[in-house]
Amino acid sequence: QKEVEQNSGPLSVPEGAIASLNCTYSDRGSQSFFWYRQYSGKSPELIMFIYSNGDKEDGRFTAQLNKASQYVSLLIRDSQPSDSATYLCAVNVGNAGNMLTFGGGTRLMVKP
Amino acid sequence: DADVTQTPRNRITKTGKRIMLECSQTKGHDRMYWYRQDPGLGLRLIYYSFDVKDINKGEISDGYSVSRQAQAKFSLSLESAIPNQTALYFCATSDASGRHYNEQFFGPGTRLTVL
Repeated sequence: QKEVEQNSGPLSVPEGAIASLNCTYSDRGSQSFFWYRQYSGKSPELIMFIYSNGDKEDGRFTAQLNKASQYVSLLIRDSQPSDSATYLCAVNVGNAGNMLTFGGGTRLMVKP
Repeated sequence: DADVTQTPRNRITKTGKRIMLECSQTKGHDRMYWYRQDPGLGLRLIYYSFDVKDINKGEISDGYSVSRQAQAKFSLSLESAIPNQTALYFCATSDASGRHYNEQFFGPGTRLTVL
């Protein structure tokens, strides 16, 4: 079993809809969680991070963390075609310093 | 100017050749990483370095070696390239302190093709 799992997609949503991206992780010692966006052929860029259970909102993005169920999700409200990208979930295990384990990514397609 | 740079950006080589990928950063970060990315597999860690005298193997270090020449420079070498090392390679950096303690910053990537 992979340590960090994501549905590879593609997830297709119409413009203006809410896109919901999910990620599960296996290590209960995981302490911090990151969502990176990666456009085709480009490098990953951080869009959200979350450390505590619950929701964290930043503009159109909301990260949700549930440590008991070991999942983290990213909601994108009012999806735009420019949101079309691959979204990588990354998890930091508590004793591993800055080490991140990445999921395989979910490809999101927002159709006009 | 880019904070994390990688050279070359694209490279095509032949099986058995020695290849070096270079990474430089102006962010002043102590920690540097090398990842490879294959379709559907996300980013997999090859090597990482927490300071100039510290080098550690990652998940997939076989067939690779690294050199941390200075705080700002971290090079990845393929001693004898093979076709299954064809991938997109990313260098990343992070800071051991500060608000974004665990955030990693990525270079633009090097697309390597081994024929």
